[in-house]
Amino acid sequence: DQQVKQNSPSLSVQEGRISILNCDYTNSMFDYFLWYKKYPAEGPTFLISISSIKDKNEDGRFTVFLNKSAKHLSLHIVPSQPGDSAVYFCAAGDTGNQFYFGTGTSLTVIP
Amino acid sequence: DAGVTQSPTHLIKTRGQQVTLRCSPKSGHDTVSWYQQALGQGPQFIFQYYEEEERQRGNFPDRFSGHQFPNYSSELNVNALLLGDSALYLCASSSWGQGDYEQYFGPGTRLTVT
Repeated sequence: DQQVKQNSPSLSVQEGRISILNCDYTNSMFDYFLWYKKYPAEGPTFLISISSIKDKNEDGRFTVFLNKSAKHLSLHIVPSQPGDSAVYFCAAGDTGNQFYFGTGTSLTVIP
Repeated sequence: DAGVTQSPTHLIKTRGQQVTLRCSPKSGHDTVSWYQQALGQGPQFIFQYYEEEERQRGNFPDRFSGHQFPNYSSELNVNALLLGDSALYLCASSSWGQGDYEQYFGPGTRLTVT
C-alpha cells in the first residue's frame, strides 16, 4: 500500500519558468516531510523539509508548501535551471524517523 | 569531510546465495538506515540502527538482517537471495534525536540476482 504518491512520473519545464512537483500522502500521523533530488548513479540528496506545524518553507529557489487537510505537499522551483533536471522524491514520516518515499517525478528543464 | 560511503558499488549473486553490503555514515552521524530501491520505485525502508541496535524495521522478511558496529558503520545481510531482491540498496545516515530528520544518502550498491 503506497502511503506516499507522486502521480506525475515526469515533468518538462522551460528554463526560467516555475516547476511544481506534487506529492500526496494517506497517513494523517505523518508530521515531517522531505524532498530529495537524485541524479543517475548517485544517492538521493536532501533538498528541503517541512514539519507539520508549518505550511510553507523556503530555501533559495526552492519552496515547499504543505496542505495538511488535503494531505498534499508541493515543491516549487523558481526559476528553473537546466541543472535542476533530475528525479525528485518526496518522503513523509512521523517523528520515529521511518520515512516513506514516493515513486519520484523526473524533471527536465529545457534550455 | 567524507559523506556516506557504500561498498561494493555493484554485485552479482546467484539465487539462494547470501550477500553482505557495507556502509560508513557521514562524519558526526550515529544512525544508519537502509533502503531498497527497485527499478522505477522510490526507496523502501528496510531498517534503522542506532547504538548497535535495530530501532525500527519496515515490511521486509527476516532474510534481511543488519548490524551496526561501535564506529557507527553498518552492514546489511540478505540470505537466501531471490530474483526479486535485485535492486539498488541505499544507506542513509543521520543524527539520532536531534529533531532534524534530514538523512544523507550514499551512492548505493546495485545488487543483481541471477
